Amino acid sequence: EAGVTQSPTHLIKTRGQQATLRCSPISGHTSVYWYQQALGLGLQFLLWYDEGEERNRGNFPPRFSGRQFPNYSSELNVNALELEDSALYLCASSEILETGRFFSGNTIYFGEGSWLTVV
Amino acid sequence: LAKTTQPISMDSYEGQEVNITCSHNNIATNDYITWYQQFPSQGPRFIIQGYKTKVTNEVASLFIPADRKSSTLSLPRVSLSDTAVYYCLVGDISGGSYIPTFGRGTSLIVHP
Repeated sequence: EAGVTQSPTHLIKTRGQQATLRCSPISGHTSVYWYQQALGLGLQFLLWYDEGEERNRGNFPPRFSGRQFPNYSSELNVNALELEDSALYLCASSEILETGRFFSGNTIYFGEGSWLTVV
Repeated sequence: LAKTTQPISMDSYEGQEVNITCSHNNIATNDYITWYQQFPSQGPRFIIQGYKTKVTNEVASLFIPADRKSSTLSLPRVSLSDTAVYYCLVGDISGGSYIPTFGRGTSLIVHP
């Protein structure tokens, strides 16, 4: 069974540009989570999508946005890129006990991440 | 808020047992505790999950006391390849709903 897949593996953008990162969850998982991990730091929660809806977002500016498609895959968009947006962006997926309600007993599984470098 | 606290770093030697403790004083009644391992430039990998008492799988054991305010990940007979950052995960309330929130993680270095 395929795990969480992310693309691209690496992306280099210029400050002010837009970046789009993609994620395909594990088959059967309806929830997708996005995290940002700057070099040497922990995982910062970005966004949570479930059944096509944004359920929660972390403390990030509105230029970080995304969406979830009917097949549960997801896209993270970062507009007006800044140098400090350079980081590993991790996508994770899980089943959900109740639509729109996170349950920590449903294990979340991560992809290998997309490295975004802003120059 | 079920904020987690872990030691920043730990050192061990090959063949030793390593125990990493995570404090989660405000864990919710229905919250599970999950541990992950992360190597540099890779996504976190699920290790083990538990709700109470003891859980064991082929790579680790997880000990959770009755009050569930902490948990201990036990890695038996570590090897150099166990050098990684270990995170414990519980739910946390943000924006009115629970979200999976990671602590800062524990950097484990295994020496020859």
